Amino acid sequence: DAGITQSPRHKVTETGTPVTLRCHQTENHRYMYWYRQDPGHGLRLIHYSYGVKDTDKGEVSDGYSVSRSKTEDFLLTLESATSSQTSVYFCAISESGTGGSSYEQYFGPGTRLTVT
Amino acid sequence: RKEVEQDPGPFNVPEGATVAFNCTYSNSASQSFFWYRQDCRKEPKLLMSVYSSGNEDGRFTAQLNRASQYISLLIRDSKLSDSATYLCVVNPTGYSTLTFGKGTMLLVSP
Repeated sequence: DAGITQSPRHKVTETGTPVTLRCHQTENHRYMYWYRQDPGHGLRLIHYSYGVKDTDKGEVSDGYSVSRSKTEDFLLTLESATSSQTSVYFCAISESGTGGSSYEQYFGPGTRLTVT
Repeated sequence: RKEVEQDPGPFNVPEGATVAFNCTYSNSASQSFFWYRQDCRKEPKLLMSVYSSGNEDGRFTAQLNRASQYISLLIRDSKLSDSATYLCVVNPTGYSTLTFGKGTMLLVSP
């Protein structure tokens, strides 16, 4: 299995509080992604990174920010959590963005976030 | 038309059965295709990539039909452990992001 960890694995927080989720990889992969997964919606891309300090928005980026100061760490921040951000958050990594098989993504175990 | 569409199922099959899933995609310029498997409350895991010529991995066979823009996954001799949700995944742009279907649930019973 790819070396990807996420922390925390579970979190309950109150509306309006800031929350930061961490993704850590030991594979030295260039690309890192944050997804959320909700019933009826499948996996949706929030933000992704294509290198240190290089990030871009995904499909559902409103209310989220990210940072990547080191190759191995990708942080997702909810500046002011809302109940609509209750979800399961997955981090993924990919070796590169060119060539067929290197588009494969490998996922971390997920973080279950509940905003009350 | 949604980017990646799958029948949500569930597909209920007995052990030993053969089952097939189809998936359609909207972007004819899509570059790469994959099947992922996701167990309940777990992360998605790559099952197999789908190549233009089709490919097989043990009991699993994947096919790509670019003309009709669909991908298929065939599972032969189903096992109880095959029970999971199968996600069809497409790289629509040739860049680094993937688009995931919502998944097809498979339930294999004794």
